[in-house]
Amino acid sequence: DAKTTQPTSMDCAEGRAANLPCNHSTISGNEYVYWYRQIHSQGPQYIIHGLKNNETNEMASLIITEDRKSSTLILPHATLRDTAVYYCIVRVAPAAYYTGANSKLTFGKGITLSVRP
Amino acid sequence: DTAVSQTPKYLVTQMGNDKSIKCEQNLGHDTMYWYKQDSKKFLKIMFSYNNKELIINETVPNRFSPKSPDKAHLNLHINSLELGDSAVYFCASSQDWREQFFGPGTRLTVL
Repeated sequence: DAKTTQPTSMDCAEGRAANLPCNHSTISGNEYVYWYRQIHSQGPQYIIHGLKNNETNEMASLIITEDRKSSTLILPHATLRDTAVYYCIVRVAPAAYYTGANSKLTFGKGITLSVRP
Repeated sequence: DTAVSQTPKYLVTQMGNDKSIKCEQNLGHDTMYWYKQDSKKFLKIMFSYNNKELIINETVPNRFSPKSPDKAHLNLHINSLELGDSAVYFCASSQDWREQFFGPGTRLTVL
């Protein structure tokens, strides 16, 4: 799986958008970009994933550049509960959609987002 | 209802002891995992099981032996505990490759 690079930390004000960057310049054509987060003392939580199109769900938006070498996770209205470590992960899609068994997640250091009141 | 649960939440034990951590998921998923998060917060996969069959074993010492009595349970047994085994252990499950659901973690402290 391709390596990702994220800043160590960032902060934002409550209610404002948090834009978390991720660099994955060696990404291959069949690799997806995933974001997970880990709130203090909890297990990681899936946020969103995408291949090349921008994606949005109830938690966040994922913007992937046209060359796919970088992406940005956007939390549109950050709250104090969004304070967490956010992991950008690049992983290959398996041949079969329902093949979960070989789908290990390789976590990096992540970026610590601190949302201030 | 908790989707992925682990017991115990905290485990403090002496070096050399044998201990087990239990994991249960009520999501009906076929695949379960064990991850280890060390003191530097790096999170690494240890094992994955699919329908009770071991699929991934990431060069984990033989002292660690996962056991899956059925596809809803994946337990982790550790023999001859060492100081370096101190970590937070997370269980996870998934039905497909898109999303993994993690448990709350078990903090193991070896004295």
